[in-house]
Amino acid sequence: EADIYQTPRYLVIGTGKKITLECSQTMGHDKMYWYQQDPGMELHLIHYSYGVNSTEKGDLSSESTVSRIRTEHFPLTLESARPSHTSQYLCASSPPGSAGPDTQYFGPGTRLTVL
Amino acid sequence: KNQVEQSPQSLIILEGKNCTLQCNYTVSPFSNLRWYKQDTGRGPVSLTIMTFSENTKSNGRYTATLDADTKQSSLHITASQLSDSASYICVVTDRGSTLGRLYFGRGTQLTVWP
Repeated sequence: EADIYQTPRYLVIGTGKKITLECSQTMGHDKMYWYQQDPGMELHLIHYSYGVNSTEKGDLSSESTVSRIRTEHFPLTLESARPSHTSQYLCASSPPGSAGPDTQYFGPGTRLTVL
Repeated sequence: KNQVEQSPQSLIILEGKNCTLQCNYTVSPFSNLRWYKQDTGRGPVSLTIMTFSENTKSNGRYTATLDADTKQSSLHITASQLSDSASYICVVTDRGSTLGRLYFGRGTQLTVWP
């Protein structure tokens, strides 16, 4: 099993609160990704990073922001949570030398509910 | 438009039975196709990966096939177990961009009953 961790696993929070979802990996992977997944739906890429100080937006527009100050850490922040942000958020990483994101290891996910 | 379609959307089988899940894609240019297993509340875990030149790949009781001409793949599960209950996701990677973009299917929700 891959060494990629996400906290918290579950979060219920009120509208307007600022939240940060943590993702860390101990495998030395340079590429990291954030996906959003609604029940019964496909994963949508919302952010990715090719390394420290590199962040890009994915295919699905998201009001969240990310940062990559350390190789092992890729947190996602929502400045003001809304009910429309209710979803599962999955973090993934790929090792150096991989051709791209096709060799991805996923974390367990954070299930976010905004009331 | 690049897409990945999976069928059936959901499937219920009895323990010990076999089943086959389908994946059709229109992603081009094609790089590889991967099947993931996602348990409820967990992240996806890779089962198999196949490139253009491979037409079958096995991982224990899981056997994936790929027909790159018809752009179809299947995942066959043999002698199902209760622990096979999960969502099975087909993911296709293109090679047309630096990112090597992934296209995800919506998954087939498999339930195995005792």
